[in-house]
Amino acid sequence: DQQVKQNSPSLSVQEGRISILNCDYTNSMFDYFLWYKKYPAEGPTFLISISSIKDKNEDGRFTVFLNKSAKHLSLHIVPSQPGDSAVYFCAASARYSGANNLFFGTGTRLTVIP
Amino acid sequence: EAGVAQSPRYKIIEKRQSVAFWCNPISGHATLYWYQQILGQGPKLLIQFQNNGVVDDSQLPKDRFSAERLKGVDSTLKIQPAKLEDSAVYLCASSLVEGGSTEAFFGQGTRLTVV
Repeated sequence: DQQVKQNSPSLSVQEGRISILNCDYTNSMFDYFLWYKKYPAEGPTFLISISSIKDKNEDGRFTVFLNKSAKHLSLHIVPSQPGDSAVYFCAASARYSGANNLFFGTGTRLTVIP
Repeated sequence: EAGVAQSPRYKIIEKRQSVAFWCNPISGHATLYWYQQILGQGPKLLIQFQNNGVVDDSQLPKDRFSAERLKGVDSTLKIQPAKLEDSAVYLCASSLVEGGSTEAFFGQGTRLTVV
């Protein structure tokens, strides 16, 4: 049972434009959400997170939006750069319930075209 | 600050053989995870340690997989005997529990191929 879903396996965006990566979850106990970036032959690298008490968190070019009622979050990258080309994983946990375990989506491969 | 170290990077074994992976977490990180990532899927938790105690091993196939974390630092994950479907990247991650942080830091992973 996939509790975190990323329905777009791939996304191509022109350099300088906005990249929007989407993620849906089914478990209403999830209260902490993270995005990881993964380059080939490397482990996932933490990018940005958001807790369920917020609906937006921003860090430089990266912004994560959370819509709890829709059980949906998105990652916006503006402006997109070729170095952003990687696989992006959405992850969720029931952190405030004491469970640190992360549940991952299947990933979205972002390609930023120069 | 040194990251999470894993070895080996790559391993090829025949089915029914055994294999072991090693992980050294970031210094001071009390929580250690082993994840399995099959090609085309997201990482899936196999086992979570808090210091040297097991917090969650519900997804670990205990008939063939075992893991230990002696002295609450390094950890090893073993598969015996291996099956073809065990071919995957095995990722070790660690995180600070203090302050409620759950940002897990991952190692580069061990790519296992079972033939």
